Amino acid sequence: TQLLEQSPQFLSIQEGENLTVYCNSSSVFSSLQWYRQEPGEGPVLLVTVVTGGEVKKLKRLTFQFGDARKDSSLHITAAQPGDTGLYLCAATQGGKLIFGQGTELSVKP
Amino acid sequence: GAGVSQSPSNKVTEKGKDVELRCDPISGHTALYWYRQSLGQGLEFLIYFQGNSAPDKSGLPSDRFSAERTGGSVSTLTIQRTQQEDSAVYLCASSAGTSGHEQYFGPGTRLTVT
Repeated sequence: TQLLEQSPQFLSIQEGENLTVYCNSSSVFSSLQWYRQEPGEGPVLLVTVVTGGEVKKLKRLTFQFGDARKDSSLHITAAQPGDTGLYLCAATQGGKLIFGQGTELSVKP
Repeated sequence: GAGVSQSPSNKVTEKGKDVELRCDPISGHTALYWYRQSLGQGLEFLIYFQGNSAPDKSGLPSDRFSAERTGGSVSTLTIQRTQQEDSAVYLCASSAGTSGHEQYFGPGTRLTVT
């Protein structure tokens, strides 16, 4: 059983569309992170959310931490081909990161 | 400044051979992590070094896996008697703090066991 459940696992959309990726758990976390990984590279940290209900924006990306700090979402507005990649949510547990399975996003021009 | 580097970038080995994977963390980062990423398994934690403390080895899948960190800097992950199921990308990350946040990843070593 995955501690962090991400959905959807795969998403293929056209340029300009909006999308939302979800990260859910039955556990409460002190913080949650989102990473983006491109082929042949390691994950790169996009954002850390700490406070329940917190919303953070990074250009066209909006991240939200659930009020109960058990879930998070990533919303991309007007997706671009450059947004293509693997999006991973992660939570720290005992000083180490536990990752969700990831969402493979493909944005077609 | 340089990021996390890993070597080799690719390694092909025969089943039963031993392999060593190297990680050079960001200078000054006290924490170093090893993860494994394989198809269908996602990214799984292997081992965590924090300063001079005993490492957290709770993620190592078997006693064929071991890691050391010399001088609080460079780390080597060793896999003995490799098996085909060891084929994966091995990622190293480092961070400056103790919380596990803000981890910076290397590009990984792709290990293929034939």
